[in-house]
Amino acid sequence: GAGVSQTPSNKVTEKGKYVELRCDPISGHTALYWYRQSLGQGPEFLIYFQGTGAADDSGLPNDRFFAVRPEGSVSTLKIQRTERGDSAVYLCASSPGNEYEQYFGPGTRLTVT
Amino acid sequence: KQEVTQIPAALSVPEGENLVLNCSFTDSAIYNLQWFRQDPGKGLTSLLLIQSSQREQTSGRLNASLDKSSGRSTLYIAASQPGDSATYLCAVRRVQGAQKLVFGQGTRLTINP
Repeated sequence: GAGVSQTPSNKVTEKGKYVELRCDPISGHTALYWYRQSLGQGPEFLIYFQGTGAADDSGLPNDRFFAVRPEGSVSTLKIQRTERGDSAVYLCASSPGNEYEQYFGPGTRLTVT
Repeated sequence: KQEVTQIPAALSVPEGENLVLNCSFTDSAIYNLQWFRQDPGKGLTSLLLIQSSQREQTSGRLNASLDKSSGRSTLYIAASQPGDSATYLCAVRRVQGAQKLVFGQGTRLTINP
C-alpha cells in the first residue's frame, strides 16, 4: 500500500515568509508525528497528534511553528516569519497507534534564504 | 533528559567484512529501541525494533542487540555489501510519554567494493 507522503519535496523561501508543509499519513493510522532533521544530525521531535488533537507539542521550538490535523488524517506544519535557522529537512511519520512502529515519509527539504 | 549517542560518526570498510555499529543511551527506562537506515536525500527506513523485554532481533544479515542496564545497543551487519552504504540511526522510545523517538546523530557507513 501507499506509504507516508510529504509535499513539497523541496521548498525554497525567503527569510520572513510563511510556509506550509503537508503530510499524508498511511491510511488508517491514528498517530502522526513531525520531526526536524538538521544537516548531519538525527531527527528531533516536534509534535505528535493522536487523532485530531496535538497530544504533545513540546518539541516545537517557538510560537512561529504550528501544526494542525483537522480531520485526523492529513497534517500541515506551518511556519511563520521563517528564519535561516529553520532550514532543515522536515520529516513526518505515522503509526497505527501511539505505541507502534513509526513509518516515515521522504521529508520536505526547507531552505530559507 | 534522554540522550542518544552513536559511535563512530563515520565508518568505511571493504566489502565482505562484518561490522558493528554502536548506540548508547543515558536513561535505561526505555520502552523500545529502533534502528533505521537513511539513504542520502531520503526518509528513514525501519530495520529492526527491539522491545525493552527483548535482548536481540534479527533480520537477514542484520542483528541488533539491546542491553538496557548498560544503556547500549549494537547493530551487527554480516558480509557487508556496497548496497549497505547509508546512514544508520538508532532511536529510543521512553517508557513514559512513549510517543516520541529520541534519535542519535547517526553513523555514516561506506562499504567499498
